[in-house]
Amino acid sequence: EAQVTQNPRYLITVTGKKLTVTCSQNMNHEYMSWYRQDPGLGLRQIYYSMNVEVTDKGDVPEGYKVSRKEKRNFPLILESPSPNQTSLYFCASTGTGTYEQYFGPGTRLTVT
Amino acid sequence: GQQLNQSPQSMFIQEGEDVSMNCTSSSIFNTWLWYKQDPGEGPVLLIALYKAGELTSNGRLTAQFGITRKDSFLNISASIPSDVGIYFCAGSRAGTASKLTFGTGTRLQVTL
Repeated sequence: EAQVTQNPRYLITVTGKKLTVTCSQNMNHEYMSWYRQDPGLGLRQIYYSMNVEVTDKGDVPEGYKVSRKEKRNFPLILESPSPNQTSLYFCASTGTGTYEQYFGPGTRLTVT
Repeated sequence: GQQLNQSPQSMFIQEGEDVSMNCTSSSIFNTWLWYKQDPGEGPVLLIALYKAGELTSNGRLTAQFGITRKDSFLNISASIPSDVGIYFCAGSRAGTASKLTFGTGTRLQVTL
């Protein structure tokens, strides 16, 4: 089954404790993105990747890092999480020649 | 970053009624997409539009790419309870397949 998976689905952590949210897709898609979703603000892009080792900032990249060492994986790293990064995070992927993004199930992160 | 304006923000309708929502932008997009998000899930692609003036259907859903390329419309005919959710529009510009700008969402609630 074609899908985008994220782990963990839920995470509660404390300020300053580094964490990684994993994202994997099995569709051989070139493009992958990370979004955060906050009430009243819709989905805002954090980072995106056009292929292995090619990443770029989205609209709200501060406080986040990403890497793309393999085509299928695109982890999101929070080196020093802060409470304002409490949010619902989505990973998405897009195939070449299409603009249609397919989303993962989401990771709900709470930073206390 | 820019966000697209969606209206209405929320709506209550009765089962069987038709629904209309729209999305506007101050700038041109080359692709318009409509997504639906169920509670606790990631957005799911409903319809993709690639040409100005294009009208595309998916079952009871019909979407149109505005002729000015600055807006799009989604209609749902004969609504049913499972239509409940949040509907997002998203726009993409040429050459940016991994970068979508999302609308603020329309929350649809259906009463029996």
